[in-house]
Amino acid sequence: AQKVTQAQTEISVVEKEDVTLDCVYETRDTTYYLFWYKQPPSGELVFLIRRNSFDEQNEISGRYSWNFQKSTSSFNFTITASQVVDSAVYFCALSALTGGGNKLTFGTGTQLKVEL
Amino acid sequence: DTGVSQDPRHKITKRGQNVTFRCDPISEHNRLYWYRQTLGQGPEFLTYFQNEAQLEKSRLLSDRFSAERPKGSFSTLEIQRTEQGDSAMYLCASSLVQGVHGYTFGSGTRLTVV
Repeated sequence: AQKVTQAQTEISVVEKEDVTLDCVYETRDTTYYLFWYKQPPSGELVFLIRRNSFDEQNEISGRYSWNFQKSTSSFNFTITASQVVDSAVYFCALSALTGGGNKLTFGTGTQLKVEL
Repeated sequence: DTGVSQDPRHKITKRGQNVTFRCDPISEHNRLYWYRQTLGQGPEFLTYFQNEAQLEKSRLLSDRFSAERPKGSFSTLEIQRTEQGDSAMYLCASSLVQGVHGYTFGSGTRLTVV
């Protein structure tokens, strides 16, 4: 079975602060994909990144960066110089290629509030 | 391509009534997924199709739930004899095989059972 844990329920920061959202996952599969999605108040899930289990290289996209560490089963997400528009719920998700098809298992999400 | 479309956006129904939701995926995506999201939780997998074949159903999908994708294009999710516990956001997503390029989600249908 797969499991994703996002221990931070809610984080509040002031604009321009850096913030890191934690994600810890569990799976017995050796081949899997990890995702981050953003869910703004409008409700749609916006795809941010996909990472496969064989690629531990960290990734940076503008103000976003991701730190994947298989040794600790973590896939953390950092927003640098946060902005009010970053306010949303962020979900980490896992998709394993065996033992259950290709469905996504989501964490419970982290509500990020960025204030002026 | 306008992405994944879901209809209706909101539905309020009385307990015991039947409801049907529709999802139109991205046209070239052969996989279509249904998820349910309750307040304060992450989406939970319900079922998925590859083309017109329903390949997996979650234990969350009770006998009152049925999903179809008759021609491998749009899909419908029907809930019979709705209960208050069915109140949730129902999300549809589509992808190419194995979602290797990410799953694209629709905006969801918010169901309220009163």
